[in-house]
Amino acid sequence: NAGVTQTPKFRILKIGQSMTLQCTQDMNHNYMYWYRQDPGMGLKLIYYSVGAGITDKGEVPNGYNVSRSTTEDFPLRLELAAPSQTSVYFCASSGTGALRQPQHFGDGTRLSIL
Amino acid sequence: AQSVTQPDIHITVSEGASLELRCNYSYGATPYLFWYVQSPGQGLQLLLKYFSGDTLVQGIKGFEAEFKRSQSSFNLRKPSVHWSDAAEYFCAVGAGGSSASKIIFGSGTRLSIRP
Repeated sequence: NAGVTQTPKFRILKIGQSMTLQCTQDMNHNYMYWYRQDPGMGLKLIYYSVGAGITDKGEVPNGYNVSRSTTEDFPLRLELAAPSQTSVYFCASSGTGALRQPQHFGDGTRLSIL
Repeated sequence: AQSVTQPDIHITVSEGASLELRCNYSYGATPYLFWYVQSPGQGLQLLLKYFSGDTLVQGIKGFEAEFKRSQSSFNLRKPSVHWSDAAEYFCAVGAGGSSASKIIFGSGTRLSIRP
C-alpha cells in the first residue's frame, strides 16, 4: 500500500522556469491538499480538492495552479518560479466524511529556486 | 479567524521521562484540534484529534492530549518517551464543520531525546 506518493523528492529551478510537482494516492480518497512548509514554520495550505474536477484556493495560492482530472492525481504547477517559492512541498489526502483534516502525507518535495 | 501557538520551539527530555508539549489556540467557538508528528525527511502523521465529547483524547504511539476550554489549550502528553519519539510535533486548529482551508498549523515543537 503506497499511500501518497510525491515526485520528485528534490529539484533545483532557475528563476522564471516552470515545473509540475506530482502527487498520486492509491486510497481512493476524495480530499487532496497541497501544503508548503518554510523553515521553522507550520504548514500553509496552497490548494485543495474535494474530488475530481473540483479545486479551491487555500491560504497561499499565488504563483501556483492545480488540476484534478482523476481521483488519484493532484499535480501542482509552478508557472514562473520565484525565490519566494523555495520551500518543502507536501501533498496530503483524506477520505470522505466529517473528518476533513489531512490524514495521509507524502514525504515531500524539496524545491530550491536560484 | 482561528490561530494556534506552540510556545516551545525545542524541548529535550531524557528517555523514559514524561513529556508535555504545549498548544494554545484562539477561536470563538469549539474548535477542531489536532496533533501531528513529523520525522526527519518525512511528511506529517496524524497522532490524534479532538472534535467533541471526552476532553481527554487517546492517540497512536501512546500519546494523549487534553482539551481545556478554560485555558484554550490542547497539550500533548506521553508518560514515558522513547528515543524514536524524537521528531517535530505540530498542533493544528480547525473551525468546526468547515473545509480544509480553515485548518491552521502551529510552527512546531522539536523534541530531542537525551539517552
